[in-house]
Amino acid sequence: ELKVEQNPLFLSMQEGKNYTIYCNYSTTSDRLYWYRQDPGKSLESLFVLLSNGAVKQEGRLMASLDTKARLSTLHITAAVHDLSATYFCAGPLYAGGTSYGKLTFGQGTILTVHP
Amino acid sequence: SQTIHQWPATLVQPVGSPLSLECTVEGTSNPNLYWYRQAAGRGLQLLFYSVGIGQISSEVPQNLSASRPQDRQFILSSKKLLLSDSGFYLCAWSTYEKLFFGSGTQLSVL
Repeated sequence: ELKVEQNPLFLSMQEGKNYTIYCNYSTTSDRLYWYRQDPGKSLESLFVLLSNGAVKQEGRLMASLDTKARLSTLHITAAVHDLSATYFCAGPLYAGGTSYGKLTFGQGTILTVHP
Repeated sequence: SQTIHQWPATLVQPVGSPLSLECTVEGTSNPNLYWYRQAAGRGLQLLFYSVGIGQISSEVPQNLSASRPQDRQFILSSKKLLLSDSGFYLCAWSTYEKLFFGSGTQLSVL
C-alpha cells in the first residue's frame, strides 16, 4: 500500500515569490496526481503525471515526477493571492490493478499567499 | 460531457440516526465509482469503490455501507451514525487517467 507524505504542511508566501511543495511516496508508482481544494469546496484536478520525468505546467504552477527518487514536486512561480488553497498530491493506493481511482492522498499543504 | 451530482451539500444529523447520501453520474456508462471521506479538512481516505451494479468493495472497516442499485447511482448509508462519522464526503468517478470528484457533502453528527 502506497504512503504519501507532503511537505511543508503549511506554507505562507509573499506575492511574487517562488516556492516548491514536495511529495514523497513510499513504494514504486508510475503515476502521481496533484489536486487543489478551496475552503469548503471539492477537489479540482491540477496535474496527472504518468511517467518518470513527466513535467506539466499550467500558469504559475509546474509539477514534475521522479519515479526513481519517489518524489514529485509542485513549483509555484511568482505567487499571487488567487493561488491560496490546499494542495494535495495522491498516488495509486495499490501497485498495478485497473481501478485508477483508488488513490491515497497526502496530508495536504495549506498555502497562503499574502501581499 | 460527464457530470457528477452529489446531494445534499450539508447535513446535520443526531447520533444514532440513519444516513443516506446519493451520487449520480451523467454522460458515461459503467463508470468506476468511489466514496471518499475527508476528516477535519485534511487528507482524503477511500471508503468504498464499485466497478458495476451491485459490486461494492470496502477499503476500511467502519459504520458505513455503500450500494449501487443502478449503473450511474452510488449511495452511502448508515443505520446509526456515530460522532466519528462527521466529515466531508466526496463521491467520485474515474477514467484511465483521472479521478473526478463531486461537490461533496459536509456531514456533522451531533
